[in-house]
Amino acid sequence: DGGITQSPKYLFRKEGQNVTLSCEQNLNHDAMYWYRQDPGQGLRLIYYSQIVNDFQKGDIAEGYSVSREKKESFPLTVTSAQKNPTAFYLCASSVGAGSYEQYFGPGTRLTVT
Amino acid sequence: AQSVAQPEDQVNVAEGNPLTVKCTYSVSGNPYLFWYVQYPNRGLQFLLKYITGDNLVKGSYGFEAEFNKSQTSFHLKKPSALVSDSALYFCAVRDVTYKYIFGTGTRLKVLA
Repeated sequence: DGGITQSPKYLFRKEGQNVTLSCEQNLNHDAMYWYRQDPGQGLRLIYYSQIVNDFQKGDIAEGYSVSREKKESFPLTVTSAQKNPTAFYLCASSVGAGSYEQYFGPGTRLTVT
Repeated sequence: AQSVAQPEDQVNVAEGNPLTVKCTYSVSGNPYLFWYVQYPNRGLQFLLKYITGDNLVKGSYGFEAEFNKSQTSFHLKKPSALVSDSALYFCAVRDVTYKYIFGTGTRLKVLA
């Protein structure tokens, strides 16, 4: 899984609570991404950041928020506004936006009951 | 709109036989195409990419992929499958806004 760490591996929360998923990379990559993976739906982009202090919404940003205050860190907050938050969340990074492949973390499985 | 299609949910192949996992794409401009593999409860691992040049791209673990512009396809291939190749495979394309669009994945099952 390269130099990207995600913590925790498993996370359990009650409905109505916000939760923050951690993503850290030591690859000196400029770009970072958050995806959500649901069975049969592939990966869907939540947010991405091409450079520090800048980020853009992906295809399913509603109910999520991010920050990019440091190059190596891109935390994702799942808010209570996200209607169906139970999923497998994957963080990725790449050298930069462009033709570069992405390196993925091991993922965080979030269960909200 | 940019899109990627993986028409097969699952591909079964006998160990030692050649394997093909299909991918077609729709994108404006020149396509940047990728293949990734995912093992259970893990992140994705990069296998190979096509940016420009030779239509046959070689990647990790003996995999290769053939870019076909006229058919807008980028099929993943391996001459001789191993049981350890059993996993979930994703095709992806980079769109003009530098986002990556992933297919829904194809589960490869290699039978001993």
